[in-house]
Amino acid sequence: LAKTTQPISMDSYEGQEVNITCSHNNIATNDYITWYQQFPSQGPRFIIQGYKTKVTNEVASLFIPADRKSSTLSLPRVSLSDTAVYYCLVGVPNTGGFKTIFGAGTRLFVKA
Amino acid sequence: DTAVSQTPKYLVTQMGNDKSIKCEQNLGHDTMYWYKQDSKKFLKIMFSYNNKELIINETVPNRFSPKSPDKAHLNLHINSLELGDSAVYFCASRSSGGISYEQYFGPGTRLTVT
Repeated sequence: LAKTTQPISMDSYEGQEVNITCSHNNIATNDYITWYQQFPSQGPRFIIQGYKTKVTNEVASLFIPADRKSSTLSLPRVSLSDTAVYYCLVGVPNTGGFKTIFGAGTRLFVKA
Repeated sequence: DTAVSQTPKYLVTQMGNDKSIKCEQNLGHDTMYWYKQDSKKFLKIMFSYNNKELIINETVPNRFSPKSPDKAHLNLHINSLELGDSAVYFCASRSSGGISYEQYFGPGTRLTVT
């Protein structure tokens, strides 16, 4: 199973773009990269998923280089409400279920 | 209209007791999970059920027993509770078809063992 490494914490100000990088050197060929967001006292919430290059949705963008050994979650123009823990996961979705390993995550603090 | 619900939200009990946590999802998913989040905020998978069959057991003590009466429910029963069982337990579900990794999590059950 691919292990992920993320910064423990990051600070930002409202209106800035935030980039959180995740390292996954042992990513397997069939693994996808997924990011979750967790607010205090809530369950994690899916943000975005990708396999290679770039994926964008209404919430974030995910950049994956050609070697796929890392990925970067980009949050455009963050607000105070984006203060949360962000988890990077790698794994293979399949019909029989899959093993999910959440690392320690990155605590993002957005300041006014 | 809650997608994944858990009861109770808070559970305080003494060591040695037996307790259950219930989970229900109304998303039509065929796979459900239990996670444990400890005080350091590490989120670890405990069990996974796909169509009422256990498919993952991450070396959880056998005091923990998941029960899935149907695809929409996955309950967690814990025997002989210990102090180290204090944590937040999350239920989650997903559809096993397709390539989406997206899981839907419940609000969590905070278990405190005294």
